[in-house]
Amino acid sequence: QQPVQSPQAVILREGEDAVINCSSSKALYSVHWYRQKHGEAPVFLMILLKGGEQKGHEKISASFNEKKQQSSLYLTASQLSYSGTYFCGTELAGGSQGNLIFGKGTKLSVKP
Amino acid sequence: SQTIHQWPATLVQPVGSPLSLECTVEGTSNPNLYWYRQAAGRGLQLLFYSVGIGQISSEVPQNLSASRPQDRQFILSSKKLLLSDSGFYLCAWSGFGEQYFGPGTRLTVT
Repeated sequence: QQPVQSPQAVILREGEDAVINCSSSKALYSVHWYRQKHGEAPVFLMILLKGGEQKGHEKISASFNEKKQQSSLYLTASQLSYSGTYFCGTELAGGSQGNLIFGKGTKLSVKP
Repeated sequence: SQTIHQWPATLVQPVGSPLSLECTVEGTSNPNLYWYRQAAGRGLQLLFYSVGIGQISSEVPQNLSASRPQDRQFILSSKKLLLSDSGFYLCAWSGFGEQYFGPGTRLTVT
């Protein structure tokens, strides 16, 4: 049931773009995205509730393809502050409300 | 605005000792509350969740337990810690679908 995130790690230069994918084998109700910096708690980025929904947060946006049970996180014109580990949390359709299953994370490193 | 507190921030405990971690939420009523554990370099594992006072559901069988004595208070306990209980324990709350994490407690069992 654990969603699969890809890639596991990515290194960028400032200003470059990145895409992080989250794929589930189960039907999803929602996808939540978080960023965690080393030694800190995860910080909520966005939640996607509907199939095909897209959301944006500054230069970070995401899409949710309900039919494919996939979500992608798009980071454009990356900044040093974007470094960290990104987790997707999936809420299963028909599951307990609010219970999230997290992927193993994608470590993003942005270099000057 | 809503805030979530956890304490202690760090804890070093010997194997076999008891554990009590506390989480409180301010600025909201009747939140859903969650306990997660994150092992070093790993993802987040849901341990317990609660939709109301005295209502606890366990996701993973283990030597941990949880209680919710008040609406905005969530406690994680153990009678005897194991080495495998080491990790970063995170409390989270949700009220509108989104989940927000507290600062966490870093537990080392020696």
